[in-house]
Amino acid sequence: DIQMTQSPSTLSPSVGDRVTITCRASESIDNWLAWYQQKPGKAPNLLIYKASSLESGVPSRFSGGGSGTDFTLTISSLQPDDCATYYCQQYNSFPWTFGQGTRIEIK
Amino acid sequence: EVRLVQSGAEVKKPGDSLKISCQGSGYTFTTFWVGWVRQKPGKGLELMGITYPDDSDTRYSPSFQGQVTMSVDKSVTAAYLQWSSLKASDTAMYYCVRQGDEYDAFDIWGQGTLVIVSS
Repeated sequence: DIQMTQSPSTLSPSVGDRVTITCRASESIDNWLAWYQQKPGKAPNLLIYKASSLESGVPSRFSGGGSGTDFTLTISSLQPDDCATYYCQQYNSFPWTFGQGTRIEIK
Repeated sequence: EVRLVQSGAEVKKPGDSLKISCQGSGYTFTTFWVGWVRQKPGKGLELMGITYPDDSDTRYSPSFQGQVTMSVDKSVTAAYLQWSSLKASDTAMYYCVRQGDEYDAFDIWGQGTLVIVSS
């Protein structure tokens, strides 16, 4: 299985900060990478697919980048509603696998 | 509106059998893959497997092969996840998900079904 490693595990930024989460794959996954947001007690929600495509309805402050093995999720100006756990997921090689998650706690 | 609606929470004993469901609506059920994702309490997400309703092509993640059975019923646009003998370690939230193409992200998630296995 392809291992997905996210960093950092937790973040404590302030409202308005620019936030970047990284995700590294154990082998190349081209651009077959998604990012999800999960709020406490809720199902995850798709933010980004194909590494950099914004899912319909997702605010434009979210953006994704990278290809091959190294990827980023950036929130350009953090909002209170962005307090959540974020997961990356590869879907290049079955079984699709997720990163361990990055929790954002707003300062 | 495209939705996946899952069956309600279950409390079972070790050794019990269980089948939970996921009903799709608002889209052509047979032309999108349906998957199941496990989330243990306080932990991350794990894909259990995916199935294509039109021909029941099913792919299990190796960790879950032989541990669960995934199925679909096109006539009622529902997918199912089944255990023949539950263990305490099966305690988790289970999400059904929709996947567009054979290689695609999960664009729709069910609300989750909490399964608690305790003696």
